[in-house]
Amino acid sequence: KAGVTQTPRYLIKTRGQQVTLSCSPISGHRSVSWYQQTPGQGLQFLFEYFSETQRNKGNFPGRFSGRQFSNSRSEMNVSTLELGDSALYLCASSNGLAGGPGEQFFGPGTRLTVL
Amino acid sequence: AQKVTQAQTEISVVEKEDVTLDCVYETRDTTYYLFWYKQPPSGELVFLIRRNSFDEQNEISGRYSWNFQKSTSSFNFTITASQVVDSAVYFCALSGNTGGFKTIFGAGTRLFVKA
Repeated sequence: KAGVTQTPRYLIKTRGQQVTLSCSPISGHRSVSWYQQTPGQGLQFLFEYFSETQRNKGNFPGRFSGRQFSNSRSEMNVSTLELGDSALYLCASSNGLAGGPGEQFFGPGTRLTVL
Repeated sequence: AQKVTQAQTEISVVEKEDVTLDCVYETRDTTYYLFWYKQPPSGELVFLIRRNSFDEQNEISGRYSWNFQKSTSSFNFTITASQVVDSAVYFCALSGNTGGFKTIFGAGTRLFVKA
């Protein structure tokens, strides 16, 4: 099976701009979660989508949003970028079925730099 | 609130030494799951193990072993006869039923294994 893919891998933006990141989960996986990883805050949960519905949300401002398409691909959007949004954004997929959270398969991440 | 504490920021060992990575968690949930992930220098997180709150049985997988103790809220990870390829950041994570099983990660422990 192909792994989780994320595009783009690297991105440079300036403050005030917006950005859209994309994630393609493993075939058959219906759950996609997004995380922000920074040296200071570590790995923080952004949100999870399952079957096109947001199932869980972390404590991030409304500038961070996401969506999931019928083919389970997911996008996250950050509007009005701030310097503090510079981070590695990780996407993880899992089958998301009942029985508790399963193992997550992570993508390589998108490295976002905000200047 | 849920919390995962990995008190060891960095550990350095010489190859073939045994090393234990500590993980202490806090949750009021009765149903929860604990995970360990490895993040090698390449950056992609790799799933190592999942354990649910009703299964305190310790697990061994090759050189890796995990000790889950609900009495002390700990889920420690031991690498026996460490190898240079074990050098990575290791994350402990918790996912509880309150809040829909969103995953909370610890700060991570960076392990250096020297030849």
